[in-house]
Amino acid sequence: DQQVKQNSPSLSVQEGRISILNCDYTNSMFDYFLWYKKYPAEGPTFLISISSIKDKNEDGRFTVFLNKSAKHLSLHIVPSQPGDSAVYFCAASARNDYKLSFGAGTTVTVRA
Amino acid sequence: NAGVMQNPRHLVRRRGQEARLRCSPMKGHSHVYWYRQLPEEGLKFMVYLQKENIIDESGMPKERFSAEFPKEGPSILRIQQVVRGDSAAYFCASSRLAGLGGRSPPSTDTQYFGPGTRLTVL
Repeated sequence: DQQVKQNSPSLSVQEGRISILNCDYTNSMFDYFLWYKKYPAEGPTFLISISSIKDKNEDGRFTVFLNKSAKHLSLHIVPSQPGDSAVYFCAASARNDYKLSFGAGTTVTVRA
Repeated sequence: NAGVMQNPRHLVRRRGQEARLRCSPMKGHSHVYWYRQLPEEGLKFMVYLQKENIIDESGMPKERFSAEFPKEGPSILRIQQVVRGDSAAYFCASSRLAGLGGRSPPSTDTQYFGPGTRLTVL
């Protein structure tokens, strides 16, 4: 039962433009959301998170938006850089829980 | 400050052999989590441990799999009598506090991942 879904397996974007990654979830108990970035043969690296009490969190070029009513979140990367080429995982956890539920990932390719 | 360490990075076993995967958490972290990633899938939670205690093993197969986090030394994920379906990437993560939905600042309960162990069963 996939509770976190990333429906776009891949995304190609030109350097300097905006990358928008989407994530949907089904579990209404989720109240904390994270994005991880993963390079080949490495572990996921924490990127940015958001609590359900917020609808936006920004950190440099990365902004995460949360729409609780739609059970949807997105990650915006602007401007996209070649080093952003990686697999991005959306993850979520429920109140008083620690287990992270991950989406299947979106592979981002930034073209020069 | 060294990150989460995992070894070996690659492990090849024949069917029926045992696999032992090791994880050393980040300095100051006492919470360890194991996840498994099958090809083309996201990471799936397996087990959560604190020193000398298994807190939650609800994601771990009931047979052949076990985990420990002794008072001294790394956490160990052990797979007995491996089968081809065990072939996957196994990731360990650690956190300073138990991740509880972001009540604490992310830097304290965020799970930081190691590079993974890629297990191949022939």
